[in-house]
Amino acid sequence: DAMVIQNPRYQVTQFGKPVTLSCSQTLNHNVMYWYQQKSSQAPKLLFHYYDKDFNNEADTPDNFQSRRPNTSFCFLDIRSPGLGDAAMYLCATSRTSGGTDTQYFGPGTRLTVL
Amino acid sequence: GQNIDQPTEMTATEGAIVQINCTYQTSGFNGLFWYQQHAGEAPTFLSYNVLDGLEEKGRFSSFLSRSKGYSYLLLKELQMKDSASYLCVPMDSNYQLIWGAGTKLIIKP
Repeated sequence: DAMVIQNPRYQVTQFGKPVTLSCSQTLNHNVMYWYQQKSSQAPKLLFHYYDKDFNNEADTPDNFQSRRPNTSFCFLDIRSPGLGDAAMYLCATSRTSGGTDTQYFGPGTRLTVL
Repeated sequence: GQNIDQPTEMTATEGAIVQINCTYQTSGFNGLFWYQQHAGEAPTFLSYNVLDGLEEKGRFSSFLSRSKGYSYLLLKELQMKDSASYLCVPMDSNYQLIWGAGTKLIIKP
């Protein structure tokens, strides 16, 4: 089945230790998104890629970086995680950007910072 | 500014009907999505409305009134598995999704 896959589902890291979360998709969608969601809050868009074009949200901290080496994969790098970065990180894809295509989400990675 | 207004929490009984209301204010409008999100899981797509009126999809229906900035999600024949958060997500003129915290729906036997 075509889908959005995130690994790992649960990630534990130490304060200040870099961590990378991964997302892959078999939908062949052009757009990939990274969201941060804290408990009982709205998902917050961090950035998105349209193909290889990177679009950073204005209020996304510099501590968060992303890479998209090819259509199928996208990575979220947190350079120096703080306690406030503990959250669910959601990857989503859509066929196009600038349109009304539905975003489809992966299962998410729950990050714990010790 | 852009904002969404939904009840924080609602409770309903198994087998009953529940309507989750949403009002929104956005810079322009390119349709509205409803997503379901179970606790600890990712949002899953339920519906998309861009024209006024009712869209029915099985036990779930979604309604939109663009002039009133109003939408609702109607769930019929409630099942325990419908216990989840329901997110009303309008899309603005830049095709950006505007996310809120949603409505937590609790189903009781």
